[in-house]
Amino acid sequence: GAGVSQSPRYKVTKRGQDVALRCDPISGHVSLYWYRQALGQGPEFLTYFNYEAQQDKSGLPNDRFSAERPEGSISTLTIQRTEQRDSAMYRCASSFFDRGLLNTEAFFGQGTRLTVV
Amino acid sequence: GQQVMQIPQYQHVQEGEDFTTYCNSSTTLSNIQWYKQRPGGHPVFLIQLVKSGEVKKQKRLTFQFGEAKKNSSLHITATQTTDVGTYFCAAQNAGGTSYGKLTFGQGTILTVHP
Repeated sequence: GAGVSQSPRYKVTKRGQDVALRCDPISGHVSLYWYRQALGQGPEFLTYFNYEAQQDKSGLPNDRFSAERPEGSISTLTIQRTEQRDSAMYRCASSFFDRGLLNTEAFFGQGTRLTVV
Repeated sequence: GQQVMQIPQYQHVQEGEDFTTYCNSSTTLSNIQWYKQRPGGHPVFLIQLVKSGEVKKQKRLTFQFGEAKKNSSLHITATQTTDVGTYFCAAQNAGGTSYGKLTFGQGTILTVHP
């Protein structure tokens, strides 16, 4: 597609349920980032991938959060046993990674608004 | 990990006034990126600065990277209502296992009163 696509756009789930958020990056983009953004705050880093390798997952809040990108394209962020505090906007971004130039403008998707009730 | 602090958190200006937001880091940055997020929208890339002391302009926007590569600023001349939004700086790791990791500042929320 032309841009980063995230689905679903909105997700309401009951506390204790598992959710899976999907990100389809721009074709050819090597790097894929997951962020969580609270209203009025900057994107909070969760994890990121180069190709299928998870380079850094230091931002994942706890072991209920996990992410994968098995084929180096589409990624899934999974939250198990959701809690109300998990309610937030989850954003995915992708970029073309050039190790030499560091020319890595990140393109963001529209986000998934998760509400845990 | 790499952290960037942004000030001010909020800025209210009258249309036509200037606006500046600052980004500071305790460590030397390999580069700095700036993004704008309109209300209800997602962050959109504005520019990237790489060189020490670099200055770039986009119409009424002027971006600077400090000589020590530890701070950056975004200045808007003669603000317009279309400038409303949140401006973020973002720093990128240039080494180690987190090469390429992009960390955002808290952002400055700009309100422009007509």
